[in-house]
Amino acid sequence: DSGVTQTPKHLITATGQRVTLRCSPRSGDLSVYWYQQSLDQGLQFLIQYYNGEERAKGNILERFSAQQFPDLHSELNLSSLELGDSALYFCASSALGRTVNTEAFFGQGTRLTVV
Amino acid sequence: AQSVTQPDIHITVSEGASLELRCNYSYGATPYLFWYVQSPGQGLQLLLKYFSGDTLVQGIKGFEAEFKRSQSSFNLRKPSVHWSDAAEYFCAVGADNQGVKLIFGQGTELSVKP
Repeated sequence: DSGVTQTPKHLITATGQRVTLRCSPRSGDLSVYWYQQSLDQGLQFLIQYYNGEERAKGNILERFSAQQFPDLHSELNLSSLELGDSALYFCASSALGRTVNTEAFFGQGTRLTVV
Repeated sequence: AQSVTQPDIHITVSEGASLELRCNYSYGATPYLFWYVQSPGQGLQLLLKYFSGDTLVQGIKGFEAEFKRSQSSFNLRKPSVHWSDAAEYFCAVGADNQGVKLIFGQGTELSVKP
């Protein structure tokens, strides 16, 4: 158990809908990262938050947004869902704003299926 | 652009045999390199990481990796594979000077024959 909790584990929704994925980082970790794992794109970095502030951005679509709350949990919002958004979404956390000299701990992921 | 290539999509080895998983990266500066393992239905677990110093790094579960700058490689090795090592293995590079944004390879799926 990495200590990173993601809910829900599975989500099935229809095209055009909006969903929210939730991540609780390890106790004391200030950084949260979101990754998308799909068959065609592999594992891709989406976005990072550090202590409530956006720190780095990757290949995140404009239909997607994220935030980190004062209690450090994070939510990833996916809207106007398309079939191609079906993927495993991982959250990771680390103690600092950098993975150098530390490591990112990954949750078990939320499997999103868009039908 | 930074990239990571894992040439082998799937590898099968016999239990007790040695293992080497290949990883090549493309990155302009000194890279921060990682190997992660993903078991079915599980998240990613860090096996080992290289930031600087000794180019041979030891990780958990008996794995090691060697950083070879001249070959832009960071291959993962294990002298004797156990059936429980069957999983998918991902090589990653920290894509900025802080190693925050990880770029992952496509992964290598390892099967272990009894």
